[in-house]
Amino acid sequence: EAQVTQNPRYLITVTGKKLTVTCSQNMNHEYMSWYRQDPGLGLRQIYYSMNVEVTDKGDVPEGYKVSRKEKRNFPLILESPSPNQTSLYFCASSPRRRGGYNEQFFGPGTRLTVL
Amino acid sequence: GENVEQHPSTLSVQEGDSAVIKCTYSDSASNYFPWYKQELGKGPQLIIDIRSNVGEKKDQRIAVTLNKTAKHFSLHITETQPEDSAVYFCAATPYTGGGNKLTFGTGTQLKVEL
Repeated sequence: EAQVTQNPRYLITVTGKKLTVTCSQNMNHEYMSWYRQDPGLGLRQIYYSMNVEVTDKGDVPEGYKVSRKEKRNFPLILESPSPNQTSLYFCASSPRRRGGYNEQFFGPGTRLTVL
Repeated sequence: GENVEQHPSTLSVQEGDSAVIKCTYSDSASNYFPWYKQELGKGPQLIIDIRSNVGEKKDQRIAVTLNKTAKHFSLHITETQPEDSAVYFCAATPYTGGGNKLTFGTGTQLKVEL
């Protein structure tokens, strides 16, 4: 089944404790993104990657890191989480096709709480 | 950068009625406008999209209209059903070279009441 998977789905942690949220897609997509969803703010892009070893900042990158060492994986790293990073996180992937208009396929989300 | 505003934030309709969600965008270079539906506990899923060279697109009970001059686009759902209850997001992007740079609206919680 073609899908984007995220782990963990739920995480409660404390301020300052480094964590990684994994994202993996089995569709051989070139593009991958991370979003956070907050009430009243919609979906905001954190980072995106256009291919292996190619990443760029989205609209809200502060406090986050990413890496793209393999095409299928795009982990999100919070080196020192803070309470304002409590949010619902989504990973998404999309193929590179001619025309540039590509549907994004979203994972099921990771609910993160930072105490 | 692009800014997308979406209204209303909540919408309640009776089953069988129509629902309309409206979005405006700021970047006149934007040329692709998708709509995503997010059901409870799931990630968003594309339901319909429109390109800037088209004024209207329809897929069964859903349709999207685009007014480039006014820089706004709308989602229309006719004959609403309980399974249409979800959060809907509009988005816009000016990028023509591919990639994922979508700017989303703030979402509309649609509730279809029996």
